[in-house]
Amino acid sequence: EVVMTQSPATLSVSPGEIATLSCRASQSVSTHLAWYQQKSGQAPRLLIYGASTRATDVPARFSGSGSGTEFTLTITGLQSEDFAVYYCQQYNNWPRFGQGTRLEI
Amino acid sequence: EGQLVESGGGLVQPGGSLRLSCAASGLTFSSHAMSWVRQAPGKGLEWVSGISGTAGSTYYADSVKGRFTISRDNSKNTLFLQMTSLRAEDTAIYFCAKQPPTGLYYALSWGQGALVTVSP
Repeated sequence: EVVMTQSPATLSVSPGEIATLSCRASQSVSTHLAWYQQKSGQAPRLLIYGASTRATDVPARFSGSGSGTEFTLTITGLQSEDFAVYYCQQYNNWPRFGQGTRLEI
Repeated sequence: EGQLVESGGGLVQPGGSLRLSCAASGLTFSSHAMSWVRQAPGKGLEWVSGISGTAGSTYYADSVKGRFTISRDNSKNTLFLQMTSLRAEDTAIYFCAKQPPTGLYYALSWGQGALVTVSP
């Protein structure tokens, strides 16, 4: 079982700044890693797949990097609509999510 | 990209059964593997089950194996999740999710979710 660990649990950032979210896998998942954004009361939204490929209509301020066991989601020039919970998910084996990082103002 | 709309959620007693449906529109349904992902109240996400585009392959999380059955009707563009022997820990919002044509297990798009509450 691959365990996904996200850090920090909560990240406080000001609008316009940069947010860096981390995700670690307990064993290598290659680049089979996705990132999702979930706002309160809504379904998740795919942001990144293949560790670094932006999904359709995702703004360029969102970028993903990493491979193996260490991954990063970077959001530059934070906007008010970016404050949400972010999940990483590996799909190298049975899909599993991290516990989420809450991005707050 | 299409639209996914879940239905069939509700309140059920422990040990009971429930069938969820997910109606797809605006997409070539049979070209996509589909899955169910759930989220317990205030908690994170858990991938529950998946099914290939042709329904030839199905997959289940250990937590639901033997109790849940995923199926699909490509002629009606509908995905199903039959849930039996329900437990309190199955209480969650159940989302249907569309996977990419490659069949890889990430979710391109999601429905709005159906709430299942298991309680006496």
